[in-house]
Amino acid sequence: KQEVTQIPAALSVPEGENLVLNCSFTDSAIYNLQWFRQDPGKGLTSLLLIQSSQREQTSGRLNASLDKSSGRSTLYIAASQPGDSATYLCAVSNDYKLSFGAGTTVTVRA
Amino acid sequence: DADVTQTPRNRITKTGKRIMLECSQTKGHDRMYWYRQDPGLGLRLIYYSFDVKDINKGEISDGYSVSRQAQAKFSLSLESAIPNQTALYFCATSDSGRSLNQPQHFGDGTRLSIL
Repeated sequence: KQEVTQIPAALSVPEGENLVLNCSFTDSAIYNLQWFRQDPGKGLTSLLLIQSSQREQTSGRLNASLDKSSGRSTLYIAASQPGDSATYLCAVSNDYKLSFGAGTTVTVRA
Repeated sequence: DADVTQTPRNRITKTGKRIMLECSQTKGHDRMYWYRQDPGLGLRLIYYSFDVKDINKGEISDGYSVSRQAQAKFSLSLESAIPNQTALYFCATSDSGRSLNQPQHFGDGTRLSIL
């Protein structure tokens, strides 16, 4: 069974600092890995999807890396802003199904 | 309008009641999913459907049932609700396409409280 772990569970940083969020998974036979953002009372917004054959994916201030052999992914958010405050979830895809981590709740202080 | 719509958004009910959560989508996707989210546990898959006639149990299907009424509609039922089914429920969709790398798209969730 795929196990997905996100550490830390919560993170507080001052505005402008770079954010580094970690995700690890136990079964490296994945199709892809997705990073999501969840705001309170809202659904999940897909941020980035990295295919198993890719090493990284970038979108604006966001960059996600994938090391499948070691079962790790890292989401980098450059120059954080208060609007980046949210919970970030990673999810890995095995056989069409997603396995989620519990998330990292980020607070960016103005 | 949202691409994936869940109704109701919030529901409070009593133990033993039958409850139905509904999901509809305008994305034209063939695959639909139901998840629940509990604090500190992430999302867990309840049921998934690859088309109208293909419905499968997820990792936590006990106490739940589903119905795929049409390609665009997927309902989740709790036949006799119990307090430990209190959670945030999400519906998601994805396209089968030619690639396995199709992202899932989520609704805004239904917050269900069972007293």
